[in-house]
Amino acid sequence: GAGVSQSPSNKVTEKGKDVELRCDPISGHTALYWYRQSLGQGLEFLIYFQGNSAPDKSGLPSDRFSAERTGGSVSTLTIQRTQQEDSAVYLCASSPQGGQPQHFGDGTRLSIL
Amino acid sequence: QQPVQSPQAVILREGEDAVINCSSSKALYSVHWYRQKHGEAPVFLMILLKGGEQKGHEKISASFNEKKQQSSLYLTASQLSYSGTYFCGTEDQAGTALIFGKGTTLSVSS
Repeated sequence: GAGVSQSPSNKVTEKGKDVELRCDPISGHTALYWYRQSLGQGLEFLIYFQGNSAPDKSGLPSDRFSAERTGGSVSTLTIQRTQQEDSAVYLCASSPQGGQPQHFGDGTRLSIL
Repeated sequence: QQPVQSPQAVILREGEDAVINCSSSKALYSVHWYRQKHGEAPVFLMILLKGGEQKGHEKISASFNEKKQQSSLYLTASQLSYSGTYFCGTEDQAGTALIFGKGTTLSVSS
């Protein structure tokens, strides 16, 4: 079956521009997560959606970062006024419910010039 | 709070064993283990729940010591395919965000 789909797979943009990253989770999965992985680094938690509950935004590094999940399915991570330190791979994962095994997408590689 | 993994890196020959540790300063509800190969997405290995038993397959298993707030991943008779970065993720309460450690890189050579 279809896995977690992320788009675009690569994004190059100029410093100061806004970017939107999309995640299409596995159908029926109520939990959705965003992580950031800088080169050679670990998985940095950004935000967690679980069903209709208020999202856990505690990992967002600044107010330039925001995310939404429409209709309990597709999620969009938006980074405003991008900075060079935002360059990283942004990974999305989903699971049937919170606390269950997460299925990761292939990520979006974001490069800020 | 981010769990601490040790060691940061392990180099093995095929057939050797390894132990990767994950510890937290907070009480834990569960520990999750994932493996990420270079250039690929992380892949789930196993979950250990509070009050649960040691889990795993024949050659990859894990334990969870709730009192010590630690988990260990055991890789026995390692194979080339075991190479990658292993991450532990911890939940301090059921259904909360999973926070990952910085990872342990395992390199297995023939």
